[in-house]
Amino acid sequence: DIQMTQSPSTLSASVGDRVTITCRASQNINNWLAWYQQKPGKAPKVLIYKASSLESGVPSRFSGSGSGTEFTLTISSLQLDDFATYYCQQYNSYSGITFGQGTRLDI
Amino acid sequence: QVTLKESGPVLVKPTETLTLTCTVSGFSLRTARMVVSWIRQTPGQAPEWLAHIFSNDEKAYSTSLKNRLSISKDIGTGQVVLTMTNMDPVDTATYYCARMDMAPIKFDFWGQGMLVTVSS
Repeated sequence: DIQMTQSPSTLSASVGDRVTITCRASQNINNWLAWYQQKPGKAPKVLIYKASSLESGVPSRFSGSGSGTEFTLTISSLQLDDFATYYCQQYNSYSGITFGQGTRLDI
Repeated sequence: QVTLKESGPVLVKPTETLTLTCTVSGFSLRTARMVVSWIRQTPGQAPEWLAHIFSNDEKAYSTSLKNRLSISKDIGTGQVVLTMTNMDPVDTATYYCARMDMAPIKFDFWGQGMLVTVSS
């Protein structure tokens, strides 16, 4: 199975800060990577797909980059609504789907 | 409007078989690029993908759980069913069904999730 390693696991930041979360895959996943935001008691919500494509309706302060085994999610200017947990997710047709362990973004 | 809704028992006993149903609306299970997955999550942990089923009835399962899982679909009723055998207290989790758009690959719609507790 492909392992996804996210860092950091917890991140403390303030409104207006720029933050970056990293996700590393244990093998090349090309650009089949998505990023999700999850708030307590809710299902995850897709932010970025195919490594760098912004989901419709998601604010442009969210951006994704990377390919191969290393990927990043950047929030350019944190808003109060952004404090949540973030997960990366990969897809591989042979081994299936795995999620990173998550990054909790705290105020 | 795409929706998915999970249903099934909220409490199962150890060693029992869990059967969960995902009822979809707003899209067809025949649509070539749409896949329905089951995903579970325990509090404070990452989501764990369990299984998915394609429009052509091709199936895929988590490597670690494949011996306990079975997924099927009924196009007429718009339902995807997951069974998990030999339930254990460690299987206590919120179970979600979600639609994955294969072009490109993303889980774009999720059910609200349902908590399943395994206890005697």
